[in-house]
Amino acid sequence: GQNIDQPTEMTATEGAIVQINCTYQTSGFNGLFWYQQHAGEAPTFLSYNVLDGLEEKGRFSSFLSRSKGYSYLLLKELQMKDSASYLCAVMDSNYQLIWGAGTKLIIKP
Amino acid sequence: IAGITQAPTSQILAAGRRMTLRCTQDMRHNAMYWYRQDLGLGLRLIHYSNTAGTTGKGEVPDGYSVSRANTDDFPLTLASAVPSQTSVYFCASSDGLAGTTGELFFGEGSRLTVL
Repeated sequence: GQNIDQPTEMTATEGAIVQINCTYQTSGFNGLFWYQQHAGEAPTFLSYNVLDGLEEKGRFSSFLSRSKGYSYLLLKELQMKDSASYLCAVMDSNYQLIWGAGTKLIIKP
Repeated sequence: IAGITQAPTSQILAAGRRMTLRCTQDMRHNAMYWYRQDLGLGLRLIHYSNTAGTTGKGEVPDGYSVSRANTDDFPLTLASAVPSQTSVYFCASSDGLAGTTGELFFGEGSRLTVL
């Protein structure tokens, strides 16, 4: 079966750095997405990785290793507004998105 | 403002009733999707449409139907609601064009409670 694993919840301190991991087992691979979802709101797109390596976008970076079936989202200089759920999703060989359950990130002052 | 509009935003429904969740997008995207989101589970695809006039079944299609008469509208119908269909429903779209990331744009969600 297809599976996406990510931690259920993480806590970090304002101003610090946090890494949210995602491991996947899917039928084929056509890219990995990270989305941010604030409580009670819609998910919004953060990043897309299809090749191995690190993609940096401001305070957020996303890393992919296809051979290991592994990705992480790195958030730097954490702000209170970063408190949200972070969803990992993989596009399989049929171009269907397989979603993880999401990681709830709690930022403390 | 361009985007996706869902209606209603919230609804309480008696079991056995018929309900249609509306979704309209003004981005001229080819592909549209309906997901449900339940606590502790990832987003689950109910139905999708790659282009106007075509639809397909997702991971959890039973009890739901969709239509795609034109590019902009993609309504989701629950023919006879059951309590297990209590969930938050998200409509999404993507342009599906080659060379793009295929990122999804989501509506604000419809919170449905079936009693």
